[in-house]
Amino acid sequence: GAGVSQSPSNKVTEKGKDVELRCDPISGHTALYWYRQSLGQGLEFLIYFQGNSAPDKSGLPSDRFSAERTGGSVSTLTIQRTQQEDSAVYLCASSLVSSGGANQETQYFGPGTRLLVL
Amino acid sequence: AQTVTQSQPEMSVQEAETVTLSCTYDTSESDYYLFWYKQPPSRQMILVIRQEAYKQQNATENRFSVNFQKAAKSFSLKISDSQLGDAAMYFCAYRSLGNRKLIWGLGTSLAVNP
Repeated sequence: GAGVSQSPSNKVTEKGKDVELRCDPISGHTALYWYRQSLGQGLEFLIYFQGNSAPDKSGLPSDRFSAERTGGSVSTLTIQRTQQEDSAVYLCASSLVSSGGANQETQYFGPGTRLLVL
Repeated sequence: AQTVTQSQPEMSVQEAETVTLSCTYDTSESDYYLFWYKQPPSRQMILVIRQEAYKQQNATENRFSVNFQKAAKSFSLKISDSQLGDAAMYFCAYRSLGNRKLIWGLGTSLAVNP
């Protein structure tokens, strides 16, 4: 079936503008994750959604960052008043969380959105 | 807090040869998951192999295998019969049982020479 998709693929914005990044998880996957990959650094966890539970927002770097997941499927990551240090690749992943099956714990990633803040 | 260390920023291997990428981690937990992901220039993070800490047997996926040394907190990836398509960034990642976020190393850039 279709994998995780993200849009846009690339986004260039001016400092101070708001941006929205979209993620479509694999159909049926109950968990969705956002990570940030900055140049020369590893991946940094941002936020995690699981079903109807409250999201784990512990990785969001500031209150300029927020995310929502509508209908348990599509997610939008919003960055308000963007700064140059927000420039990075934003990766989304999804997984199927249930009581059994080791493979269901594996996170499958989208191609990412490369954000450049000028 | 858990940490993951990849001490080799860059590696190279000749086509058809074998290469081993290193990964060490720090944790006080006894049960967890470990992963190797590959990220080609397309940016898509692709799962290479995973290991459950409670399993003593090293995971294997075709040409990819791991050497999991739980006491030493080491999780190296061996790529046999290297192919040009193996050239990519390789990331080692850790996941607790009770927390689904992945903790990542900084990656190793692997070049495969023809």
